[in-house]
This record gives sequence, structure tokens and C-alpha cells, in this order.
Amino acid sequence: DVQLVESGGGLVQPGGSLRLSCAASGSTFSNFWMSWVRQAPGKGLEWVANIKEDGSEKYYVDSVRGRFTISRDNAKNSLYLQMNSLRAEDTAVYYCARNVRWGQGTLVTVSS
Amino acid sequence: DIQMTQSPSTLSASVGDRVTITCRARQNINSWLAWYQQKPGKAPKLLMYEASTLESGVPSRFSGSGSGTEFTLTISSLQPDDFATYYCQQYNGYFGQGTKLEIK
Repeated sequence: DVQLVESGGGLVQPGGSLRLSCAASGSTFSNFWMSWVRQAPGKGLEWVANIKEDGSEKYYVDSVRGRFTISRDNAKNSLYLQMNSLRAEDTAVYYCARNVRWGQGTLVTVSS
Repeated sequence: DIQMTQSPSTLSASVGDRVTITCRARQNINSWLAWYQQKPGKAPKLLMYEASTLESGVPSRFSGSGSGTEFTLTISSLQPDDFATYYCQQYNGYFGQGTKLEIK
């Protein structure tokens, strides 16, 4: 089965940037759509972005479109989320996901 | 965008009750739907995938049905451990708003 391990979370000031990474193992990474989901403290689950197997299609939730960029490197079995112009409301645990299988999450805190 | 509508948002029930949660997709998603259970302070737990396939280790009192745009999660006889929040999700896409299952 797939294993997904996120990294790159941390504390960042409003307006700052952060790049999340997700290392995948245990299955053929390039065969699957991948996505990022998040959960802000005390809030529900929110899908953030997804990317097609070959990276040719990418989709975003309205609240992050234009600020976040999802990408992947199939040769490295890795998924990324570049987050720019971060806001306090982006504070959340971010999960990398392949269909219904998720990583353990990485916490992003946007605060001055 | 394929957005998901989940209902009810809150459900009050008693141990032993049969409960059903509904999730509707704006467009046909075939059977590409999952259900998750989440308890306070914990990560979501996968219950069901491909709309009706029970994840390994999940009790058989949980069942899922539906395809296309209408889906349901049913708990046949509520147990104390089942009081939690439940979410549906289209694969790699939108979640429902969540259903908080409370003790009556």
C-alpha cells in the first residue's frame, strides 16, 4: 500500500511563503492523481488542490487559487505545494493524499 | 467543480439507533466517494471507499451505498464509540460539510 510522508510545515509570517513536500512510496506514484487537503483548527476538512498523473491538469479551491501551486516530480515520487502570500486563515494541518490514502499531516501556522 | 452537499449537519441519536447520512454530488462521480470519521483532536479515519467498500478493520455495522450523485452512510446500531463527525469526499476533491453525530 502507499505511504505518504509530508514535510515542510512550520511557522511563517503573514505574506510569507512555504513549500510543502510529500514523499510517496509503496506504489507507482505516476499512475495516480494526487491532492492536498487541509484542516484549520476547529474547522472541517477542506480540499486544497489536485494534480493529474502527468502534471498536465491542476485544480484549486477558490480561496488559494493564484497563491498556491501544486506540482509533482514523478521521477522522485514526490508531490509539492508552494504556498505564497500566506494568510492567517491558511493556518491548518496539511495532508498529502492519493485518493483515500493520506499522510500524517504537517502543521502550517501563519502568524506574526 | 464537483462540490458535495452533506446532510444533516448535526444528528442526535441514541445507542442502538440506526442512522443514515446523505451526501450529494453536483455531478456524476460514479462510485468515487469515501467516508471518514473524525473524533476531536484526532486525524480523520477512513471508513469506506468506492462508496460501499468497508475499510479493513472497520466494524460491519457501517455500510455505504450509492453511485452517481447520491450516496449514503448507514450505521446499523449505534455504539458509544461512533459519536463523532463524519465527512464524505469525492476522490481527490471536495468534502461534504460534515455531520456531527451527537448523543441524544
